Amino acid sequence: GAVVSQHPSRVICKSGTSVKIECRSLDFQATTMFWYRQFPKQSLMLMATSNEGSKATYEQGVEKDKFLINHASLTLSTLTVTSAHPEDSSFYICSATEGQAKNIQYFGAGTRLSVL
Amino acid sequence: SQQGEEDPQALSIQEGENATMNCSYKTSINNLQWYRQNSGRGLVHLILIRSNEREKHSGRLRVTLDTSKKSSSLLITASRAADTASYFCAPDSWGKLQFGAGTQVVVTP
Repeated sequence: GAVVSQHPSRVICKSGTSVKIECRSLDFQATTMFWYRQFPKQSLMLMATSNEGSKATYEQGVEKDKFLINHASLTLSTLTVTSAHPEDSSFYICSATEGQAKNIQYFGAGTRLSVL
Repeated sequence: SQQGEEDPQALSIQEGENATMNCSYKTSINNLQWYRQNSGRGLVHLILIRSNEREKHSGRLRVTLDTSKKSSSLLITASRAADTASYFCAPDSWGKLQFGAGTQVVVTP
């Protein structure tokens, strides 16, 4: 089946630093990738949708300068949390859709970000 | 918003029992999907039911969809300890999934 790899799985950083999270589709070309944020025991909140080679579409209330998304190839999207603050601590999850079967999203394992 | 809302929030059952959880949403959809999430992990797609379908089966899973009531249900039959996870419904319209807060299912041996 379609596999999405997300790295790192866990990152601890100091306030003010930037953190990059990678999302790779290992065995398929991901036409669209999604980035979510999840708080404990809560829903996944869609942050942005990215298509290869074009700018990401951010959801309302998500700061595009704070959460930089790059989708440079059909197998890689990155999320950079710039100048991270403790309130950015969360679980970030990416997903990808494959070609014509765009309905089903394949998820990475998530990245636990802790900002000190 | 067409965010899915699951009910109950939590469910505790014993192995071998069936687990049923429900989902409601507010607007029209193209399809509705169910996903599961193990603690601290990503989501795994379980099943997709299209808006013109009423029932769908996949192994021990049975999903129903009632578009007139804007509701869906997920039934897990003969549950196993490995079914312990959070289950999310995700109404899909225009390619965006709107996840609810999930139903946390605990299956005890």
